Amino acid sequence: QVHLVESGGGVVQPGKSLRLSCAASGFTFSNHGMHWVRQAPGKGLEWVAVIWYDATDKYYANSVKGRFTISRDNSRNTMYLQMDSLRAEDTAMYYCARGGGGTNALDYWGQGTLVTVSS
Amino acid sequence: DIQMTQSPSTLSASVGDSVTITCRASQSISDWLAWYQQKPGKAPKLLIYKASNLESGVPSRFSGSGSGTEFTLAISNLQPDDFATYYCQQYDVYSWTFGQGTEVEI
Repeated sequence: QVHLVESGGGVVQPGKSLRLSCAASGFTFSNHGMHWVRQAPGKGLEWVAVIWYDATDKYYANSVKGRFTISRDNSRNTMYLQMDSLRAEDTAMYYCARGGGGTNALDYWGQGTLVTVSS
Repeated sequence: DIQMTQSPSTLSASVGDSVTITCRASQSISDWLAWYQQKPGKAPKLLIYKASNLESGVPSRFSGSGSGTEFTLAISNLQPDDFATYYCQQYDVYSWTFGQGTEVEI
């Protein structure tokens, strides 16, 4: 059974950094692209970043480009999101999600980790 | 960037009704369109991928159609468990975008 567990969220001051983790189990992690998606309180879903199954390619939403870095460690079945220069508008629930092979859909999601950027 | 516009934003319905949600893309996305259901406090759940393909385990009362720039999610025989928020999502050249969501309420 596919299982994704996010961790690393918390309260952080504007301008500071935070690193999120997503631990995967129940499938061959190294065969799948992985995504981060966020949701501000009371708002809709916003795609954040994707990393290819072998980490050869990474793509970001314009809103986080240059501040966030996605990475993965296939030996640990874990994906990361390094978030630097955090802003109040980055406050959100951050979900990791599995790429659904050739469908370009996100077929399994974790339960999320909450990031609050506040002084 | 491609923009996704969902309508309506809110939809009032009753158990047993059939409802339709529309998603329009600002430019053609072929059939790279997915639909998700999200309940309060929960992660989204994939319902439909590639515009019309039902994800495994999703009830057949959900169906998707469309291509190019206009897509629809139809739910027939609405059940109490279906009252939720629905999002469309497009893929185009290494970018994924969600619609703003449609809340289906009683």
